[in-house]
Amino acid sequence: DAKTTQPTSMDCAEGRAANLPCNHSTISGNEYVYWYRQIHSQGPQYIIHGLKNNETNEMASLIITEDRKSSTLILPHATLRDTAVYYCIVRLYSGGGADGLTFGKGTHLIIQP
Amino acid sequence: DAGVTQSPTHLIKTRGQQVTLRCSPKSGHDTVSWYQQALGQGPQFIFQYYEEEERQRGNFPDRFSGHQFPNYSSELNVNALLLGDSALYLCASSSFTSFGSNTGELFFGEGSRLTVL
Repeated sequence: DAKTTQPTSMDCAEGRAANLPCNHSTISGNEYVYWYRQIHSQGPQYIIHGLKNNETNEMASLIITEDRKSSTLILPHATLRDTAVYYCIVRLYSGGGADGLTFGKGTHLIIQP
Repeated sequence: DAGVTQSPTHLIKTRGQQVTLRCSPKSGHDTVSWYQQALGQGPQFIFQYYEEEERQRGNFPDRFSGHQFPNYSSELNVNALLLGDSALYLCASSSFTSFGSNTGELFFGEGSRLTVL
């Protein structure tokens, strides 16, 4: 799986949009970009994933650049409960089951009141 | 609908001992993966079980072994514990067979925190 690079930490004001960047310059054509987050003392939680088109769900939006070498996770209206470590993961989705994920250290997002 | 459940939540062992951790997958899931998360680090993939067999394995020694039962629940066993095995052990489940609705999403439990003294 391709490696990813994320900032170690970020701050965002409550109510504002939080934009979390991720670089994955070695991504291959059939690898997906996944985002998970881990709130303190809990297991990781799936947020969103995409291949090359922008994606949106009830939690967030995922913007993938045209060359697919980077992406941005957007939390449109951050709340204090969004304070967590956010992991950007690139993986080959084989369609059956879920192969082992390679987590980096992620970005510690702190939402300020 | 119960999510992924793990037991015990916390435990303390001494070096050289053996430990067994347990996981029940989310209802409808048939695949279980185990991860180790050291303090301040991201989770590291240990192995994955499907149809009662180890399907994929990360870079962990043979001291780490597992089992999956016919009801899809799973155990993680660690022998000859080392201080460095102290970590949060996470279980994640997914569905291998429901291709149409499978986003590749993993559902994680809250973890078992192991302390080795």
